[in-house]
Amino acid sequence: DAKTTQPNSMESNEEEPVHLPCNHSTISGTDYIHWYRQLPSQGPEYVIHGLTSNVNNRMASLAIAEDRKSSTLILHRATLRDAAVYYCILNGAVGAQKLVFGQGTRLTINP
Amino acid sequence: DGGITQSPKYLFRKEGQNVTLSCEQNLNHDAMYWYRQDPGQGLRLIYYSQIVNDFQKGDIAEGYSVSREKKESFPLTVTSAQKNPTAFYLCASSIWTTSNQPQHFGDGTRLSIL
Repeated sequence: DAKTTQPNSMESNEEEPVHLPCNHSTISGTDYIHWYRQLPSQGPEYVIHGLTSNVNNRMASLAIAEDRKSSTLILHRATLRDAAVYYCILNGAVGAQKLVFGQGTRLTINP
Repeated sequence: DGGITQSPKYLFRKEGQNVTLSCEQNLNHDAMYWYRQDPGQGLRLIYYSQIVNDFQKGDIAEGYSVSREKKESFPLTVTSAQKNPTAFYLCASSIWTTSNQPQHFGDGTRLSIL
């Protein structure tokens, strides 16, 4: 399974943008880049995913490098409710969708 | 509201006892999954099912069993053979097992040993 590398932790201030990086240098051509986040004692929540082009939804934006070896999740205006562990996952298996969760990035938001 | 319901929220197991964790979804999803999460760690796949009456082992299936008799339900049994069952168990579902479909998760069951 292709691996991703994320910083263990990041900190930001409320109402400021947050850029969460993810490196995936061994990504294959069919791997989608998925982002999930997990609040304490809850199940992960899907945030966004993409293949090659940048993607936007109501929660966040996903910027994908041209060579696809890295990506950045962008929270445009962080709130206290965005404090969570963020997981960057490659999902490209045919048939079986076996997500491989690393340790993710723990995001702290300061009021 | 559509979603995934896991029960119970907390569960305690005695030595040598089998326990069953419930997972029900009303999203009309074909695929369902069970993950285990240990403190400070990411999720690890136990079992998954693509259609009714079919399921496959994940990375850590030993000591666990599942069934998929109905599309909506995917119960997980933690058997006495699982020597370290204390963990947070998460159930998920997705529309189909293609690479561009996100998984939807329940709120988990926390299992502890008495």
